[in-house]
Amino acid sequence: DAMVIQNPRYQVTQFGKPVTLSCSQTLNHNVMYWYQQKSSQAPKLLFHYYDKDFNNEADTPDNFQSRRPNTSFCFLDIRSPGLGDAAMYLCATSRDLLQPYEQYFGPGTRLTVT
Amino acid sequence: DQQVKQNSPSLSVQEGRISILNCDYTNSMFDYFLWYKKYPAEGPTFLISISSIKDKNEDGRFTVFLNKSAKHLSLHIVPSQPGDSAVYFCAASPGAGSYQLTFGKGTKLSVIP
Repeated sequence: DAMVIQNPRYQVTQFGKPVTLSCSQTLNHNVMYWYQQKSSQAPKLLFHYYDKDFNNEADTPDNFQSRRPNTSFCFLDIRSPGLGDAAMYLCATSRDLLQPYEQYFGPGTRLTVT
Repeated sequence: DQQVKQNSPSLSVQEGRISILNCDYTNSMFDYFLWYKKYPAEGPTFLISISSIKDKNEDGRFTVFLNKSAKHLSLHIVPSQPGDSAVYFCAASPGAGSYQLTFGKGTKLSVIP
């Protein structure tokens, strides 16, 4: 089945220690998104890639970076995680940007910062 | 400032009855609305959507109603089944030409057998 895969499902990192979360998709979608969802909060868009074009949301901290080496993979790098970065990180894809196509989500990676 | 509000964090319904989940929005630029369902340990999955040119969209047991003047939409599930127990997120988009989805905080639906 075509899908969005996130690894690892659970990640523990230490305060200030860089961490990378990964996402892959078999849907061959042009757009990949990263969302942050804190407990009992709405998912919040951090950034997205349309093909190789990177777009940062205005209020995404500089501590968060992303890479998309090819169509299938996208990475979220947190350079110096703080305790406030503990959250569920959701990767999503959509076919295109020009219409509000449905977004397809992965299962998420729950990040714990100790 | 929450632009999409789901004011009920949780809802319990008997199996076979109707579940009604509500969502309010404040941004009049929103033109397209979606509902997502999320089971524990899984990502949200798309359920149903509605464009602002419509006031109702049906898909099997699921119907979404949109009241633009009230900036309100609702998801009706009839009849409710235990497998419908999940967190339901309402999301809104400015529509054509925009990728952005603004989500509500979700409503946890429990369908009691």
